Amino acid sequence: SQKIEQNSEALNIQEGKTATLTCNYTNYSPAYLQWYRQDPGRGPVFLLLIRENEKEKRKERLKVTFDTTLKQSLFHITASQPADSATYLCALPAAGSARQLTFGSGTQLTVLP
Amino acid sequence: EPEVTQTPSHQVTQMGQEVILRCVPISNHLYFYWYRQILGQKVEFLVSFYNNEISEKSEIFDDQFSVERPDGSNFTLKIRSTKLEDSAMYFCASVLRESRTDTQYFGPGTRLTVL
Repeated sequence: SQKIEQNSEALNIQEGKTATLTCNYTNYSPAYLQWYRQDPGRGPVFLLLIRENEKEKRKERLKVTFDTTLKQSLFHITASQPADSATYLCALPAAGSARQLTFGSGTQLTVLP
Repeated sequence: EPEVTQTPSHQVTQMGQEVILRCVPISNHLYFYWYRQILGQKVEFLVSFYNNEISEKSEIFDDQFSVERPDGSNFTLKIRSTKLEDSAMYFCASVLRESRTDTQYFGPGTRLTVL
């Protein structure tokens, strides 16, 4: 069955550095992949969507790559700030579904001042 | 910017009681969803709703759950007889269009505690 794994539960980096988060998936070839930000006690907030025919997508300090051969997406935050501290979720459309999203367990990012 | 709203923010109930969680999706959106997140676990899909009927549902969404769009603005999730394991954050989400890649906008959630 479809599986999504995010590289680590927690990642601490120094302010100003680039944070790189990983999302791996198996047993599936999704048409797109999404990244969300979730703050404690809040709902996920959409950040970026990348389609299977796109290698890279950027939005301000965010960059997402999508390697369908490796079945992996990388999510980068450049020039990180303490305000970027949150949990970042990777989400894929569920296999055989029109719209249902399957979420990874998330990576908790802490940017240290 | 328009946003999805949910009420109440926190609901405490006794096991076996019925609860109704309410959501007001973004006004011109057409697709509506409920997800739940048990503390420390993944966000899980429950159900999607379009054109006044359920379009997809997960295994979690059993006969104890139901959804309704009673009027042009509200979207509700009812749990008929709550169990301890229903304790979770429940998120409503809405999507503007039919395109599969359209963004899902999530509400702030309702924390349900079943005692």
